[in-house]
Amino acid sequence: QVQLVQSGAEVKKPGSSVKVSCKASGGAFSRYLIGWVRQAPGQRFEWLGGIIPVFATTNYAPSFQGRLTITTDESTGTAFLQLSSLRSEDTAIYYCVRARRMELWLDASDLWGQGTMVTVSS
Amino acid sequence: EIVLTQSPGTLSLSPGERATLSCRASQSISSSYLGWYQQKPGQAPRLLIYGASTRATGIPDRFSGSGSGTDFTLTINRLEPEDFAVYYCQQYSSSPITFGQGTRLEIK
Repeated sequence: QVQLVQSGAEVKKPGSSVKVSCKASGGAFSRYLIGWVRQAPGQRFEWLGGIIPVFATTNYAPSFQGRLTITTDESTGTAFLQLSSLRSEDTAIYYCVRARRMELWLDASDLWGQGTMVTVSS
Repeated sequence: EIVLTQSPGTLSLSPGERATLSCRASQSISSSYLGWYQQKPGQAPRLLIYGASTRATGIPDRFSGSGSGTDFTLTINRLEPEDFAVYYCQQYSSSPITFGQGTRLEIK
């Protein structure tokens, strides 16, 4: 059964960058959208962007353009989120998700990682 | 972007009762690309419904979804103790994907 396993919690200073990993085990990876969603305290879920590894292309939400980079290492079935110029408002749980169907940019997410807490504090 | 508004914010019911949760979109969602998720404390969300009305794999048939256009409903019949959680709707009709603010279903 496919699982998404994320890296551990991070504490970062304002202005720095964070890189979170998401490893897919036990199933297909390359043909599915791998996306990133975050949940800040008291806020609704927010879609950051995603990548379809086989296309080697990304799609980012407008509010994150310029400071978000999503990449993959297909040899290990791992996706990465890198967010730069961190501010306190970026404190949130970051989830990687997999789209339900292959090769679609817009789809429901039937697989979620366990979440990675990123805390931005001076 | 499409804004999703869920109501009520909190719903207090007893096991065995029926829950009706609403999700309203700021513009029409094409092809009923609307999903519902359940989240329990300390856990990632779980997909319940996609395409507005299709149950995801392994989801009990007491969960049902309906609606089209801008108005969608999640109904949970015969509430079980494990159903008390927070429920979110999500649209994937247009980019960026957006979520509602959630409805908390609590035990009365």
